Amino acid sequence: EAQVTQNPRYLITVTGKKLTVTCSQNMNHEYMSWYRQDPGLGLRQIYYSMNVEVTDKGDVPEGYKVSRKEKRNFPLILESPSPNQTSLYFCASSFARGPYEQYFGPGTRLTVT
Amino acid sequence: GENVEQHPSTLSVQEGDSAVIKCTYSDSASNYFPWYKQELGKRPQLIIDIRSNVGEKKDQRIAVTLNKTAKHFSLHITETQPEDSAVYFCAVTTGNQFYFGTGTSLTVIP
Repeated sequence: EAQVTQNPRYLITVTGKKLTVTCSQNMNHEYMSWYRQDPGLGLRQIYYSMNVEVTDKGDVPEGYKVSRKEKRNFPLILESPSPNQTSLYFCASSFARGPYEQYFGPGTRLTVT
Repeated sequence: GENVEQHPSTLSVQEGDSAVIKCTYSDSASNYFPWYKQELGKRPQLIIDIRSNVGEKKDQRIAVTLNKTAKHFSLHITETQPEDSAVYFCAVTTGNQFYFGTGTSLTVIP
């Protein structure tokens, strides 16, 4: 089954404790992306990757890191989480950059206390 | 960067009526305009999209129109049903970065 998976689905952590949210797709997609969703703000792009070893900042990259060492995986790293990073995070992938449907993962709800 | 505005933020319609949601954007280089539906607690899912070389696209009860000169595009849902109740997001891209609207919460009243 073609899908985008994320782990964990729920996470409660404390300020400053490094964490990684994993994202994996099995569709051989070139383009992958991370979004955060906050009430009233819609989806905002954090980082995106057009292919292996190619990543770029989105609209809200501060406090986040990503890597794309393999085509299928695109982890999101929070080196020192802060309460303002409490949010719902979605990973997405598409065939390539440009006018292609993005397939979203199930989401990760992160709470930073 | 791109600025996407979506209106209205909430919309209630009677079952069977039509619903229209509008988005405006600022970057004339934007060339792809998808619409996503997000049900409560679920992930966003694409319902229809349009490319910049097309003015209108229709898929059963759902249609999207694009006015590149005025930089706006709209989602039209006809003969609404209770299962259409959800949050709808527009998005735009020039190819690399995606910008989403802030969402419209649609309620279809049986």
